[in-house]
Amino acid sequence: AQSVTQPDIHITVSEGASLELRCNYSYGATPYLFWYVQSPGQGLQLLLKYFSGDTLVQGIKGFEAEFKRSQSSFNLRKPSVHWSDAAEYFCAVASNSGYSTLTFGKGTMLLVSP
Amino acid sequence: DAGITQSPRYKITETGRQVTLMCHQTWSHSYMFWYRQDLGHGLRLIYYSAAADITDKGEVPDGYVVSRSKTENFPLTLESATRSQTSVYFCASKLAGDYNEQFFGPGTRLTVL
Repeated sequence: AQSVTQPDIHITVSEGASLELRCNYSYGATPYLFWYVQSPGQGLQLLLKYFSGDTLVQGIKGFEAEFKRSQSSFNLRKPSVHWSDAAEYFCAVASNSGYSTLTFGKGTMLLVSP
Repeated sequence: DAGITQSPRYKITETGRQVTLMCHQTWSHSYMFWYRQDLGHGLRLIYYSAAADITDKGEVPDGYVVSRSKTENFPLTLESATRSQTSVYFCASKLAGDYNEQFFGPGTRLTVL
């Protein structure tokens, strides 16, 4: 069965600094990968997704992610973090049976310091 | 407003009571999902539905019942609530097709005393 690991439970970044959130997946075939963001008290919002093609994908709010098959990784990056980016971030992989359901990582909480 | 809504947003109940959480979407998405979110566990899939009258178990279905008589509604029932079901519940929906993402509702915070 597929699985997702987000090694960092919390990350603190200074405002204006760069950000990288790690995501490793376990999957037997070509994975469909997603990054979602959850602001406090809110539902999840899609940041970006990868299905095939260019391994560097651009998302909303200035985020990007790079798919590296050799490392089974799909890390999320942003060159300059804003205080409004403070939230919880979830990486997810679509199921290998029909791609309809998602398996989520446990999330990484991003704290932004002034 | 179009979108996906959940009700109630907050619910406190007692052990052994039946509770139903509602989910409604206006996009005519064929797929709908129920997740629970717990600290340290991320989101875990409870049940999902590919269309009206078609439902299937997810990772943590025990203690929950779902139905889907209409495309737009996907209620989740806890037939006899337990304290371990205290959680935040999210409903989501998506169009059929591999490349389509899930859209999430705002969540229902359920406390079982």
